[in-house]
Amino acid sequence: GAGVSQTPSNKVTEKGKYVELRCDPISGHTALYWYRQSLGQGPEFLIYFQGTGAADDSGLPNDRFFAVRPEGSVSTLKIQRTERGDSAVYLCASSRQGNTEAFFGQGTRLTVV
Amino acid sequence: AQSVTQPDIHITVSEGASLELRCNYSYGATPYLFWYVQSPGQGLQLLLKYFSGDTLVQGIKGFEAEFKRSQSSFNLRKPSVHWSDAAEYFCAVSGSSNTGKLIFGQGTTLQVKP
Repeated sequence: GAGVSQTPSNKVTEKGKYVELRCDPISGHTALYWYRQSLGQGPEFLIYFQGTGAADDSGLPNDRFFAVRPEGSVSTLKIQRTERGDSAVYLCASSRQGNTEAFFGQGTRLTVV
Repeated sequence: AQSVTQPDIHITVSEGASLELRCNYSYGATPYLFWYVQSPGQGLQLLLKYFSGDTLVQGIKGFEAEFKRSQSSFNLRKPSVHWSDAAEYFCAVSGSSNTGKLIFGQGTTLQVKP
C-alpha cells in the first residue's frame, strides 16, 4: 500500500481480555516500530524489528505485551489480560532501514473497559 | 537518561503571525533531533531533522529549526502561520542514527486564530 496501515482503527475490549493489533508496513521497509501514545502524551517506544527479529524490545512495559513479525512484513502486537491502563493509541512505523525516515500509521485506538 | 521537554502545552497564534515552538533535550552526546506534526486523524509526519552540520535546518511546509548545543534546544519556527498549521507538534530525540527509535516530548498543541 501507499502508507503504513493499522487495523483495526478502533478496538474496545473488556478488562482481562486478549487483543491483537495489526500493522502492515510500507512494502520493502525492513524496519518496523511500535509505539504507545497515551492521552495528552507523546508516543513512547515499545519495540523495534529489523526483518523478522525483535532488535530492541526495551520499551515493552511488562510480559503481557508481545509482538511478532514472522515473515518480516506484517507485525502483530499482542496484549494479554488487558488492563484499563493499557487504553491508548498504538502507533506503528516503518522505514527502509534503521537509519532512514520512519513513516507512521494512523494508529489503533484501544479502549479497555 | 535521554529526555525531551516541550515547555508549552498549548499555543495560540493569529494567522499570518510568526511561530516558535520550544524544545529542550537532555542527552550526553550529540543527539539526532526531529520535529513531527500530528493532525487529527492523521499519522505523525516528519517536518525536519538534524543530524549534524549546519545548525539551521529547513523542513517541509515552510518550517525551520535551529540546533543550539549551548542551550540544549531545538526550537521550531515558521515566519507566517497558516490556518492549516493547526495541529499537535512533537519534538523527538534519538541517541543514534536509528531514526525510528525516538524519545518524544509531550507535544505542543497549536491553535491558529483567523
